[in-house]
Amino acid sequence: SAVISQKPSRDICQRGTSLTIQCQVDSQVTMMFWYRQQPGQSLTLIATANQGSEATYESGFVIDKFPISRPNLTFSTLTVSNMSPEDSSIYLCSVERDRGYNEQFFGPGTRLTVL
Amino acid sequence: EDKVVQSPLSLVVHEGDTVTLNCSYEVTNFRSLLWYKQEKKAPTFLFMLTSSGIEKKSGRLSSILDKKELSSILNITATQTGDSAIYLCAFSPNFGNEKLTFGTGTRLTIIP
Repeated sequence: SAVISQKPSRDICQRGTSLTIQCQVDSQVTMMFWYRQQPGQSLTLIATANQGSEATYESGFVIDKFPISRPNLTFSTLTVSNMSPEDSSIYLCSVERDRGYNEQFFGPGTRLTVL
Repeated sequence: EDKVVQSPLSLVVHEGDTVTLNCSYEVTNFRSLLWYKQEKKAPTFLFMLTSSGIEKKSGRLSSILDKKELSSILNITATQTGDSAIYLCAFSPNFGNEKLTFGTGTRLTIIP
């Protein structure tokens, strides 16, 4: 399975600011996924990031709030913009084991607290 | 709207007990069902079940998919304190749509 790293692992931010989370994979992958897990909740997919094209956002998530970059096949960033306390969550990136296989492997996550 | 429901929401048992966690799904298209274990932040993959692989086993953990009942169970025998975690199930729709929809999770606590 791929080795995935995320930075930062945690952060405490002020309301109204933005935070960019980085996700690095040790092998080339076609698709990368960004999830959010609010306190006491399950994982919710924010968007799917393909290299060379715009990210595909799920219902309830918009590019202005969660802009995503995917400059190459091993790296992606998610920005949480104009943060409010409701954005306090764990943010996770994931990749598929191989193209066409559903097994997704997750990065270590970023715990974000917004004051 | 596709839905995945897990039960119970939480479970507390003593070390050595056997537990059964449940996952049911109401989905338009089904390709696979996955189980994950989440101890801190990152879920770790346990099993994937499909129409061609409805039963999986790894050590003390096993899982079965019941396509007729649209459900799956995860069994853990001889539980240990290290099994304490949130167990998540997720389903994946048809090929070409890799989105995973997760259930609410079951928080399992093993008392020594």
